[in-house]
Amino acid sequence: GQNIDQPTEMTATEGAIVQINCTYQTSGFNGLFWYQQHAGEAPTFLSYNVLDGLEEKGRFSSFLSRSKGYSYLLLKELQMKDSASYLCAVRDTGGFKTIFGAGTRLFVKA
Amino acid sequence: DTGVSQNPRHKITKRGQNVTFRCDPISEHNRLYWYRQTLGQGPEFLTYFQNEAQLEKSRLLSDRFSAERPKGSFSTLEIQRTEQGDSAMYLCASSPKSGLTASYGYTFGSGTRLTVV
Repeated sequence: GQNIDQPTEMTATEGAIVQINCTYQTSGFNGLFWYQQHAGEAPTFLSYNVLDGLEEKGRFSSFLSRSKGYSYLLLKELQMKDSASYLCAVRDTGGFKTIFGAGTRLFVKA
Repeated sequence: DTGVSQNPRHKITKRGQNVTFRCDPISEHNRLYWYRQTLGQGPEFLTYFQNEAQLEKSRLLSDRFSAERPKGSFSTLEIQRTEQGDSAMYLCASSPKSGLTASYGYTFGSGTRLTVV
């Protein structure tokens, strides 16, 4: 079956660092994505991992371990505008559909 | 290109009525996806097109749902005999063919929010 797990909610302080974890069990794997979704808006692409290791892009980094079925998104120097849902998603083999987790709602407080 | 466009943005309909949504993808993208999202959940896959061919349809999708993509450009999603459980945000996304651009993921439209009363 297809299963993607991530925490429902997290709270962090402005300027701090937060790590959002994601574990997955899927029938196929052709890449893991993180998307950001502000309330009432569409998801927007943040990061992509297909090989093990860390990908860094500005204040955002994403890590993947395929053998453990595990990824995390690291957000540094948190800003109030980072308050949003963060969706972990796995692309199926063949590069067709992508399966999404339920998302982690991040609240950044002053 | 202004991105993925969806119309209408909002739709309120009475139970039992039919509704149709439209999606215009990014013109260079040959892959088009429909997802449904309810409050507090991630997007749920409905169906996928490569050019005009519908290559996969979710088993969760009842026969009341149908999607088309004539000529491989815009797509429509029709829901017949709507039920209250169909109330959700319907998201359309497009992506280029895999390859060098495989890392860019989806570009989503702003969605159509359906409310069935």
